[in-house]
Amino acid sequence: DAKTTQPTSMDCAEGRAANLPCNHSTISGNEYVYWYRQIHSQGPQYIIHGLKNNETNEMASLIITEDRKSSTLILPHATLRDTAVYYCIVSPSHNTDKLIFGTGTRLQVFP
Amino acid sequence: EPEVTQTPSHQVTQMGQEVILRCVPISNHLYFYWYRQILGQKVEFLVSFYNNEISEKSEIFDDQFSVERPDGSNFTLKIRSTKLEDSAMYFCASSEPPRADTQYFGPGTRLTVL
Repeated sequence: DAKTTQPTSMDCAEGRAANLPCNHSTISGNEYVYWYRQIHSQGPQYIIHGLKNNETNEMASLIITEDRKSSTLILPHATLRDTAVYYCIVSPSHNTDKLIFGTGTRLQVFP
Repeated sequence: EPEVTQTPSHQVTQMGQEVILRCVPISNHLYFYWYRQILGQKVEFLVSFYNNEISEKSEIFDDQFSVERPDGSNFTLKIRSTKLEDSAMYFCASSEPPRADTQYFGPGTRLTVL
């Protein structure tokens, strides 16, 4: 079972920052936080991951709280193409196996 | 940018028939996966494959399912005798060492069992 809790849905205006929260209060010391998204039944797309430090790449930023029990994915300037279901997943760093997807957050970006 | 490809994009079959879903992972990747997503439901892990053998499989991956890497590029999922409940999107994914847990997914094959 997924070890994360996310809001079912969120809205965001185009051009504004989208902040997607995730709770993972039972995260273990060796588990990373991963974010994937799925645009309308396409294959899931990797976005970003982190262990305890904040991370940024060309797609998004990931803010992890100091106690690592929650995190926030930030899309700095949301576009209509960012409308998707966003999944927060915790996984051990050495894991070569399954990703466990929950129900995610359905982000709707509106004009 | 390299990507995972899957064929066919849509497969329609009769119940009880065998189907083979094909995937071409990213060329330097060594870990391969199949997931499925029944319409309106979560993405579910089926199986992972590394070094020419299954490394983990889920309860869904019963004796009706098999995987194979027949050559250096293809990775296949076979369903021997399809059931109505096998209708779903099937996604292939691959990842590279050392970070096997950053997985890159293909566009999926929609399997419809009639």
